[in-house]
Amino acid sequence: ETGVTQSPTHLIKTRGQQVTLRCSSQSGHNTVSWYQQALGQGPQFIFQYYREEENGRGNFPPRFSGLQFPNYSSELNVNALELDDSALYLCASSSEYDRGQDGYTFGSGTRLTVV
Amino acid sequence: RKEVEQDPGPFNVPEGATVAFNCTYSNSASQSFFWYRQDCRKEPKLLMSVYSSGNEDGRFTAQLNRASQYISLLIRDSKLSDSATYLCVVLRGGGNKLTFGTGTQLKVEL
Repeated sequence: ETGVTQSPTHLIKTRGQQVTLRCSSQSGHNTVSWYQQALGQGPQFIFQYYREEENGRGNFPPRFSGLQFPNYSSELNVNALELDDSALYLCASSSEYDRGQDGYTFGSGTRLTVV
Repeated sequence: RKEVEQDPGPFNVPEGATVAFNCTYSNSASQSFFWYRQDCRKEPKLLMSVYSSGNEDGRFTAQLNRASQYISLLIRDSKLSDSATYLCVVLRGGGNKLTFGTGTQLKVEL
């Protein structure tokens, strides 16, 4: 069984640039959630995608957007990067039948640094 | 007030000690509860789910008190390898997002 994979693992961007992060969900999972974890904090929910539609969103501005593809993989896009966007970005997948009831399995994350 | 609150620590304990972490949550609609473990610069990994009746997994025991909206994690006979950050996590009923506490850092020393 393939787990959740994320790419790239590390990224450095300049303030004002745009970035795209990618996530491949675990086999059999059709729901993908994205979280942002700043240093010293717990992960914060950005949004969730189910069957290619956004299915809930946290307190993040519109410059954070996403996509889910027919194979259930997903992208997180961030426009107009700010220094505070520097964080570990985590992706988690689940099936519609558990929706996290048994906890989510996270990918190893993308560490984004904005300079 | 944060939705999930934890003491950030760090908790520095000797090997073999028993240590307890506490967590409170504010939303009474919370339905599922978890403890995750996170090693430095790694992703969080599910340690255990927490059930109303309490549950145990080896050296780890989790308790839930719905009336007080309080969750605990007890680690017995601490090992050096238990050093990590422990995250308290809740999921609302019918919800689709996990809400994390800030985490409690544990350092087990010789």
